Amino acid sequence: AQSVTQLGSHVSVSEGALVLLRCNYSSSVPPYLFWYVQYPNQGLQLLLKYTSAATLVKGINGFEAEFKKSETSFHLTKPSAHMSDAAEYFCAVKNSGGDKVIFGPGTSLSVIP
Amino acid sequence: DAMVIQNPRYQVTQFGKPVTLSCSQTLNHNVMYWYQQKSSQAPKLLFHYYDKDFNNEADTPDNFQSRRPNTSFCFLDIRSPGLGDAAMYLCATSTPLGDYGYTFGSGTRLTVV
Repeated sequence: AQSVTQLGSHVSVSEGALVLLRCNYSSSVPPYLFWYVQYPNQGLQLLLKYTSAATLVKGINGFEAEFKKSETSFHLTKPSAHMSDAAEYFCAVKNSGGDKVIFGPGTSLSVIP
Repeated sequence: DAMVIQNPRYQVTQFGKPVTLSCSQTLNHNVMYWYQQKSSQAPKLLFHYYDKDFNNEADTPDNFQSRRPNTSFCFLDIRSPGLGDAAMYLCATSTPLGDYGYTFGSGTRLTVV
């Protein structure tokens, strides 16, 4: 069965500092991987997705993530945090075919001025 | 812009009084999903439609029902809301394989009094 873990339920960074949000997955086959962002009282918005093309994926708002098969990881990074990045971030995995997307538990990102 | 729209954004209902939440989409996606999200948790899938085929999650309470009268609209009916049903309800859509990610609506925040 697929599963997703996100290390750190809360992460705080200073404005301008590197953002690193960790995601590890378990899947028996090469998966599709996603990062979503959720602002307070909003739905989830797709930040980026990995679908077996380039291992380094660039998304919206300056975020990127790297798929590392050997580490079963898909960590999300941004070189310089902005106050507007404060939100909840969810990593998600899906096998090819009709399987459902499995969401991780989420990481709440705080940005300190 | 193509999108997923949920109405209302905020809904207050009385304990035990039936309530209906609505979702519409202009993306012409085959698949529509309903998720329940409680505070600081990942979204939990309640059910989904592949066209008119209804797929219920095994642990979704009987209190939750859904209708999809056409491609564009999907409804979530809560027959007898309890205090534990207070949550954010998210509608999402996708293409059949879901490998491009899901498009979410802004959600409906349900309060039960």
